[in-house]
Amino acid sequence: QQQVKQSPQSLIVQKGGISIINCAYENTAFDYFPWYQQFPGKGPALLIAIRPDVSEKKEGRFTISFNKSAKQFSLHIMDSQPGDSATYFCAASPWGRDDKIIFGKGTRLHILP
Amino acid sequence: DSGVTQTPKHLITATGQRVTLRCSPRSGDLSVYWYQQSLDQGLQFLIQYYNGEERAKGNILERFSAQQFPDLHSELNLSSLELGDSALYFCASSVEGDFSSYNEQFFGPGTRLTVL
Repeated sequence: QQQVKQSPQSLIVQKGGISIINCAYENTAFDYFPWYQQFPGKGPALLIAIRPDVSEKKEGRFTISFNKSAKQFSLHIMDSQPGDSATYFCAASPWGRDDKIIFGKGTRLHILP
Repeated sequence: DSGVTQTPKHLITATGQRVTLRCSPRSGDLSVYWYQQSLDQGLQFLIQYYNGEERAKGNILERFSAQQFPDLHSELNLSSLELGDSALYFCASSVEGDFSSYNEQFFGPGTRLTVL
């Protein structure tokens, strides 16, 4: 019940295409869903996050779609660029409870130039 | 650059040994978090300190311990090391560390520990 399942493990997308990464959770106590971006040799960095009171959140080319009834959320990267090549992690936690955060296993994204 | 520094970048040691990883949080941040990132377990929360005191514990082994000093830097001590402890260890910091609101964490570049 504590898992956050992330797919796919790896993804190759042409420049300008849409990258889509999916996550599913089971614990209904989770109500904060961040996505992190990690470049090689660096630590994860918060990219965008959503709470379940909205079904979608958009920041620039990055959009989170959230389906509360299905307990699923996804990251869409529009007009994907080579600079977006990184590992992306979804995560989930109860609001304000960083100590309870559970991360997905990550998706290695490669954008072809 | 997140403003969080970690030393050393790489550490190679033998089974049974003890090592200390060091973290300096961003200026003004009171809370420090430690995470372990391994291929099989992914990224896992270990422990949090807030203004010198332990705030929360996650999946931290008894062989591991941490502390936060008055200048707010933190150290993670790993003892009786096993092969399975080989991983990336990240430190993150945030302004606050209470459980009433969201506090964005800023991650350091990590320390890669290899146990031979």
